[in-house]
Amino acid sequence: DAKTTQPPSMDCAEGRAANLPCNHSTISGNEYVYWYRQIHSQGPQYIIHGLKNNETNEMASLIITEDRKSSTLILPHATLRDTAVYYCIVRANTGNQFYFGTGTSLTVIP
Amino acid sequence: GAGVSQSPSNKVTEKGKDVELRCDPISGHTALYWYRQSLGQGLEFLIYFQGNSAPDKSGLPSDRFSAERTGGSVSTLTIQRTQQEDSAVYLCASSSLGLAGVLYEQYFGPGTRLTVT
Repeated sequence: DAKTTQPPSMDCAEGRAANLPCNHSTISGNEYVYWYRQIHSQGPQYIIHGLKNNETNEMASLIITEDRKSSTLILPHATLRDTAVYYCIVRANTGNQFYFGTGTSLTVIP
Repeated sequence: GAGVSQSPSNKVTEKGKDVELRCDPISGHTALYWYRQSLGQGLEFLIYFQGNSAPDKSGLPSDRFSAERTGGSVSTLTIQRTQQEDSAVYLCASSSLGLAGVLYEQYFGPGTRLTVT
């Protein structure tokens, strides 16, 4: 599975959009981009995933560049409850594990 | 619906004792995973089950660690002769299996916090 690179930490003002970047320059054609988050003392929570098209659900939007070497997770209106560590993961859908890395620690500021 | 559940939520044990950690996956999920997370660290993969078999045990750190799954549902992770470095949060996840071996997103339980004194 390809490795990912994320900034270690970010701040975002409450109510503003949080844009979390991820580089995955060695991604393979059959690998998807997944985003999870982990709120303190809880298990990771699935957010969204995509292959090459942009995706949106009730939690977030995922923007994947045309060359698929990077992506951005967008939380459109960040709340204090969005403070968490966000993990970007690339994985083939037949791969049997997720490599979580160290993620981005997002702090939403009142 | 019910999510992944794990028990106990917290376990304190003395060095050298054996412990068993339990995971109840989401009903119908054929794939089950165990991870552990040390304080301030990322998740470390331990083992993967498909049904009752474990095609990938590559993450088990030593032969003191073992896991089984029965009836394609509940799984137990056993740590024998616990050491202080085994202290961590042990997380279980499950996912469904689609056509052509496609594994869908994993859903995690709340974890078991193990402290070895």
